Amino acid sequence: QTVVTQEPSLTVSPGGTVTLTCASSTGAVTSGYYPNWFQQKPGQAPRALIYSTSNKHSWTPARFSGSLLGGKAALTLSGVQPEDEAEYYCLLYYGGGQLVFGGGTKLTVL
Amino acid sequence: QVQLVQSGAEVKKPGASVKVSCKTSGYTFTGYYMHWVRQAPGQGLEWMGRINPNSGGTDYAQKFQGRVTMTRDTSISTAYMELSRLRSDDTAVYYCARDNGGMPDYWGQGTLVTVSS
Repeated sequence: QTVVTQEPSLTVSPGGTVTLTCASSTGAVTSGYYPNWFQQKPGQAPRALIYSTSNKHSWTPARFSGSLLGGKAALTLSGVQPEDEAEYYCLLYYGGGQLVFGGGTKLTVL
Repeated sequence: QVQLVQSGAEVKKPGASVKVSCKTSGYTFTGYYMHWVRQAPGQGLEWMGRINPNSGGTDYAQKFQGRVTMTRDTSISTAYMELSRLRSDDTAVYYCARDNGGMPDYWGQGTLVTVSS
């Protein structure tokens, strides 16, 4: 069974920078996994932030960026705002129409 | 604007089935796959599968094979997800989400399904 692993929790100060990562049990994450990132706040549906590693949706704030880092997918928030406090999920494509979410990272802005 | 509006909350007994609908507007329904994702209380997101509204073809996560059926009605731009043989651990919020390039972009508001005797 494929497992996608994220940091369970991270804390960042307002105005700071933080990087969240997403690893696959199958090995290094590459662009062929089409990493996507989603933000979810309590009581709300998830919101898409990043697709295909580093592409932003029209509604994605400029302070969010996606990349590949050390064999993992990464989401970097630069100049963190209080409203960025949320749960963040990555999603990877494994071929044959199969997708797997990571367990999520709870980001605290403190 | 793209909108996905899901059906209301459901309470089901163990062993029953539930069918959740996702009515779309603001785009060409048959031009985009539809994903279904669920989230148990206090837990993470879990991908269940997707349907091609144009052909009706489906891809299901292995965990749900044999228990989930995704269908669509193109005449009313609506997708459906039916889950059978419900158990208590199927209690979750179920989301539909439009596909864009293989991954979800726009999401429905979610439908809470509670399985309880």
